[in-house]
Amino acid sequence: NAGVTQTPKFQVLKTGQSMTLQCAQDMNHEYMSWYRQDPGMGLRLIHYSVGAGITDQGEVPNGYNVSRSTTEDFPLRLLSAAPSQTSVYFCASSQGLAGETQYFGPGTRLLVL
Amino acid sequence: QKEVEQDPGPLSVPEGAIVSLNCTYSNSAFQYFMWYRQYSRKGPELLMYTYSSGNKEDGRFTAQVDKSSKYISLFIRDSQPSDSATYLCAMSANAGGTSYGKLTFGQGTILTVHP
Repeated sequence: NAGVTQTPKFQVLKTGQSMTLQCAQDMNHEYMSWYRQDPGMGLRLIHYSVGAGITDQGEVPNGYNVSRSTTEDFPLRLLSAAPSQTSVYFCASSQGLAGETQYFGPGTRLLVL
Repeated sequence: QKEVEQDPGPLSVPEGAIVSLNCTYSNSAFQYFMWYRQYSRKGPELLMYTYSSGNKEDGRFTAQVDKSSKYISLFIRDSQPSDSATYLCAMSANAGGTSYGKLTFGQGTILTVHP
C-alpha cells in the first residue's frame, strides 16, 4: 500500500493564480481531510469528507474548495492564491470517523508570492 | 484561549533520559486522544491513540489521559537520538453530528535527544 500520497511536493504561485493540490489514498478509507500547518499555529483543518459526494468545512475553509467524486481522491483547490495561503498542506485519511487513526500524507509546500 | 495547549519547548535531553510531553485542553467533549511524531519536512506519523481516560503502552512509549484534569501525557523511556522530532498531541470528539474526524492539534513540542 502507498498509503496517502500528495502531489506536488512543492509549488510556487503568484498572487491570484489558482491551482489544485492532489491527494489520493489506497486504504479504502471513507474519511479524508485537508490541514494546513503554519509556524506557531499547529495543524488546522481546512475541509473534510466522510465519503464520496460528502464534504464539509473545517476551521479555516475560506479561499479553498474541495470535492470528493471517488473514495480514493480528495483534491484541494485554491481559487485565487494569496500570500496568506503560504503554508504546508497535509492530506489525511482515517478508518475511524472520529479520526482516531488518521494517517497523513507527506505534504505539499506552497509559496505564494 | 486555544482549545488545546502544548508547550512548544524546545526540549533537549541526553540519550537514555525519560521524556515527558504534555497537553492540556478545555473541551470536555474530546474523547479520543492522539500523539503524532513529525520529523523535519515530513508528515505527522500516528504514534498511539487512547479512548477516554487511562493509560496505554507501546514499547518505549506510554500515553496517559486524565479527563478529570483535562490533561494528557506522553512518556518516552530510554530516549534515543532517533526520537528527535516534533511531537503533536491531537484530540477529537465522538463521531457524529459536526464532530466527524475533526482533530484539534496542539502546537507541537520540539524534542532533541543528544548522544
